[in-house]
Amino acid sequence: QSALTQPASVSGSPGQSITISCTGSNSDVGSSNYVSWYQQHPGKAPKVVIYDVTTRPSGVSDRFSGSKSGNTASLTISGLQAEDEAEYFCCSYGRSNPYVFGTGTKVTVL
Amino acid sequence: QVELQESGPGLVKPSETLSLTCTVSGDSISSHYWSWLRQSAGQGLEWLGRIYSDGYTTYNPALKNRLTLSVDTSKNQFSLKLTAVTAADTALYFCASQYCTPTACYLYYFGDWGQGTLVTVSS
Repeated sequence: QSALTQPASVSGSPGQSITISCTGSNSDVGSSNYVSWYQQHPGKAPKVVIYDVTTRPSGVSDRFSGSKSGNTASLTISGLQAEDEAEYFCCSYGRSNPYVFGTGTKVTVL
Repeated sequence: QVELQESGPGLVKPSETLSLTCTVSGDSISSHYWSWLRQSAGQGLEWLGRIYSDGYTTYNPALKNRLTLSVDTSKNQFSLKLTAVTAADTALYFCASQYCTPTACYLYYFGDWGQGTLVTVSS
């Protein structure tokens, strides 16, 4: 199975909005209602910030939002804050390949 | 707050068996699913398999012949054994939860994760 494609890095200034893309195919993202996004600070456990494409878990800031169009899912972080600097990766759940993960994106707050 | 903590040897010799344990605190391991994943340098994350608290397992077909998952509800732990390891099994191994409610299990994402434990396969 091929990993989902994410940009290696995305950066933004505090207060700005950034969007991270996660591109797959008709076999995964394109046919899945179950895309999730995870935030991982160095040395820390990953934390789910979006699941089911657009759902934000309880306790996650509403600055995080998810969407999907065709074979590409996206995570948008609005009002960027220093604490958002981390690695982010996506995951698509499907019946043929249960879990296909993205290549990961490092978010830098300038 | 649920916490997961992986434990096990950091170094395993080629052809031997890799054994890891995940200890869950803050919630009962019962009535939920529990998964293992790994992340190797230059590769993305890979889901290895999951186990329900009653012992029901689902494995990644790519590892099915080498992987065994088990659960010990009395200790609130679940474990992984991977046989015949090679350098390709060198990775950061994570355990993670997939929660169930009385009416549904949410297998579409991973709720809580451990910090991960690095396992190196080398002689």
